[in-house]
Amino acid sequence: DVKVTQSSRYLVKRTGEKVFLECVQDMDHENMFWYRQDPGLGLRLIYFSYDVKMKEKGDIPEGYSVSREKKERFSLILESASTNQTSMYLCASSLEYNEQFFGPGTRLTVL
Amino acid sequence: KNEVEQSPQNLTAQEGEFITINCSYSVGISALHWLQQHPGGGIVSLFMLSSGKKKHGRLIATINIQEKHSSLHITASHPRDSAVYICAAAANYGGATNKLIFGTGTLLAVQP
Repeated sequence: DVKVTQSSRYLVKRTGEKVFLECVQDMDHENMFWYRQDPGLGLRLIYFSYDVKMKEKGDIPEGYSVSREKKERFSLILESASTNQTSMYLCASSLEYNEQFFGPGTRLTVL
Repeated sequence: KNEVEQSPQNLTAQEGEFITINCSYSVGISALHWLQQHPGGGIVSLFMLSSGKKKHGRLIATINIQEKHSSLHITASHPRDSAVYICAAAANYGGATNKLIFGTGTLLAVQP
């Protein structure tokens, strides 16, 4: 079975802090994605990567950056966390044009 | 107007009932995904379909490409089916992957 893991289930940070969210997948998938999920808005794509060191902006990249130094690992970085970044963050991975496999999510609260 | 619309937003059913969740989309797609999310849990992919119908246990997904419409059916519903069901349209990004455009989900509660 494909396994996608995220570094934390719950995280509380203060405004202005730098936040790292890590995602690791164990099935050699080329594609990895970061989403945020908010009530009434559904899942929205922040960034995705289709190869090591490659990244593409999604629908809401402002305030975020990403890093993919190894194929299995995709990190989401909040350079200076703000309260409007309080959300559920979900990572996913997939092979080309195939179903996406999701991690358990990180619920981030920014105070 | 959202590119992917689901209905209903909330659904309460009695155990054993037949359930239908609808999804309409306005973009060109290569596939349509149905996903399930339990409270506090991660998201699980149920189906990926580009035509016709797929069945897995008590779950059935259909798609009508001409109508740009898909349905998820649950037969003989059970309280453990209670979850959020999410429809997502896979739009071709022109690269080596698809961008998923998500509906806002249908919250299903099946009462015993």
